[in-house]
Amino acid sequence: GDSVTQMEGPVTLSEEAFLTINCTYTATGYPSLFWYVQYPGEGLQLLLKATKADDKGSNKGFEATYRKETTSFHLEKGSVQVSDSAVYFCALTVSNDYKLSFGAGTTVTVRA
Amino acid sequence: GAGVSQSPRYKVAKRGQDVALRCDPISGHVSLFWYQQALGQGPEFLTYFQNEAQLDKSGLPSDRFFAERPEGSVSTLKIQRTQQEDSAVYLCASSLRDRGSTDTQYFGPGTRLTVL
Repeated sequence: GDSVTQMEGPVTLSEEAFLTINCTYTATGYPSLFWYVQYPGEGLQLLLKATKADDKGSNKGFEATYRKETTSFHLEKGSVQVSDSAVYFCALTVSNDYKLSFGAGTTVTVRA
Repeated sequence: GAGVSQSPRYKVAKRGQDVALRCDPISGHVSLFWYQQALGQGPEFLTYFQNEAQLDKSGLPSDRFFAERPEGSVSTLKIQRTQQEDSAVYLCASSLRDRGSTDTQYFGPGTRLTVL
């Protein structure tokens, strides 16, 4: 079945550090890939997405590139801030499907 | 504009009680989804509505779970005879168009259900 595996947390960083969260996927069709973020006390929000191979999604300084050859969609940010502390979820949908399949989430804490 | 809202935000039930969880999607959104998120896990799909039609209920864990969206807007997820394993956060999401699109799913804040 379709599934996502993402890096286990928790991850603790200092402000201005580089962040990478690894995400790999298994899919029977041609997936669209997503990163969702859940800030403390808030609901899930879409952070970025990519719908085909080699697409790069970006938002709020975060980037992720859809790599079909390595079945990966790693999330990166060059300089994190305290406000980036949250739980990050990698997810996919397969073409003509609509269900999001999520990874287990990675908790990121950024210290001042 | 208003996002997806859910009520109640927190619900405590004794084992064996029935509960009803409400979702108000974004106005005009065709698709509505319910997900279940266990502690420390990612959300898992429960069921999908396109307007008032429940087109997929493959994720509902047992026949104690029932969902409806009678007028194609507000949806209710009902759990009968709750069990401790039903304790989770129940998330509702809506998107503009029907299935097959890659429209963004907008999530509500969730209802945290605790079954004692």
